[in-house]
Amino acid sequence: NAGVMQNPRHLVRRRGQEARLRCSPMKGHSHVYWYRQLPEEGLKFMVYLQKENIIDESGMPKERFSAEFPKEGPSILRIQQVVRGDSAAYFCASSPPKMDGASYGYTFGSGTRLTVV
Amino acid sequence: EDQVTQSPEALRLQEGESSSLNCSYTVSGLRGLFWYRQDPGKGPEFLFTLYSAGEEKEKERLKATLTKKESFLHITAPKPEDSATYLCAVLGLNSNSGYALNFGKGTSLLVTP
Repeated sequence: NAGVMQNPRHLVRRRGQEARLRCSPMKGHSHVYWYRQLPEEGLKFMVYLQKENIIDESGMPKERFSAEFPKEGPSILRIQQVVRGDSAAYFCASSPPKMDGASYGYTFGSGTRLTVV
Repeated sequence: EDQVTQSPEALRLQEGESSSLNCSYTVSGLRGLFWYRQDPGKGPEFLFTLYSAGEEKEKERLKATLTKKESFLHITAPKPEDSATYLCAVLGLNSNSGYALNFGKGTSLLVTP
């Protein structure tokens, strides 16, 4: 029973390149949440997705960031034209359908550590 | 706006030396307070959810308690394998319809033999 799978574990990009981070939720989970952890900062909510739907992207920077969760395949967090300030750990969490956040503790993946050089 | 403050930022204990970590919070209607453990290079690992003041939960050497303003994570007779960063998070009535956790910055715990 695999947990939340994220890849790659580490990603190095030069300034101006694109970064694609992938998240496969736990089996049976259809809700995906992305969080970002900046150095010396707490985890910050970015976006909540269900299959083929963005439910809430209020935590996403307005430019260069986008997320999707297609009918088939993993959820993708895409960062275009990366800058040094995008360097952080990006975590994905998932939850089952019909369970709100207060009922379920969320299962997090091991994260992708993005370094922009 | 929901706020979560954890203290201390870092804590060093000798093996067997019990202590407590603090999580102070302000939230518009608490729906849940969560404790996670995070090891270096790993994602947060769920420990407990507390829902109302007076509630307590235990798991091995850890015990979490909740009041209307704060939560404590008590560590009894810790072992070196308890070394990790402990994260507190809240979910409030105004937190993005019940799913966006608001995390504190964590307490980094080091237990030495």
